[in-house]
Amino acid sequence: AQSVSQHNHHVILSEAASLELGCNYSYGGTVNLFWYVQYPGQHLQLLLKYFSGDPLVKGIKGFEAEFIKSKFSFNLRKPSVQWSDTAEYFCAVNAFGAGNMLTFGGGTRLMVKP
Amino acid sequence: DTEVTQTPKHLVMGMTNKKSLKCEQHMGHRAMYWYKQKAKKPPELMFVYSYEKLSINESVPSRFSPECPNSSLLNLHLHALQPEDSALYLCASSQEGGGGRYIQYFGAGTRLSVL
Repeated sequence: AQSVSQHNHHVILSEAASLELGCNYSYGGTVNLFWYVQYPGQHLQLLLKYFSGDPLVKGIKGFEAEFIKSKFSFNLRKPSVQWSDTAEYFCAVNAFGAGNMLTFGGGTRLMVKP
Repeated sequence: DTEVTQTPKHLVMGMTNKKSLKCEQHMGHRAMYWYKQKAKKPPELMFVYSYEKLSINESVPSRFSPECPNSSLLNLHLHALQPEDSALYLCASSQEGGGGRYIQYFGAGTRLSVL
């Protein structure tokens, strides 16, 4: 069975700092990759996704992620975080042939200090 | 409109009660999902409905009974739950097919407490 790992469980940054959240998955075949964000008290929202093509994808709110196939990674980045980015971030993977099933990583709780 | 609406937002029930969670979407999506999310954990898939038929049951105990009355509605019937079933229950929907390239849209969830 596939698994998704997010190594940083808690991250605390000051505003304007750069952010990189790690995501690694175990599946060796074709994958579709997603980052979702859950702001406090709100529903899960899609930040960005990768299906194919350019491995560097841009999402909403200035976030981007890079798919590195050789490393089975899909790390999330933002050059300069804001207090409003305080949230929980989930990486999710869909394996080819698994329909629309998503496997989520354990999540990273980001706190941005003003 | 990309909204998935879940009711109620909060639910407290005893272990002998019967209650239902409801989920509604009007995006024309033909795949609908139930997830369970414990505090500080990722969502865990429980059930998937495809074209109103149950396609995936992730070995969920029978005290959880899903139902999809039509293409816009998804229910989760609860009976004889245990305190460890207390969690946030999330509903999601997506277009069907597409090789997994359809985005799942999530509702805000029902926070369930079992006493």
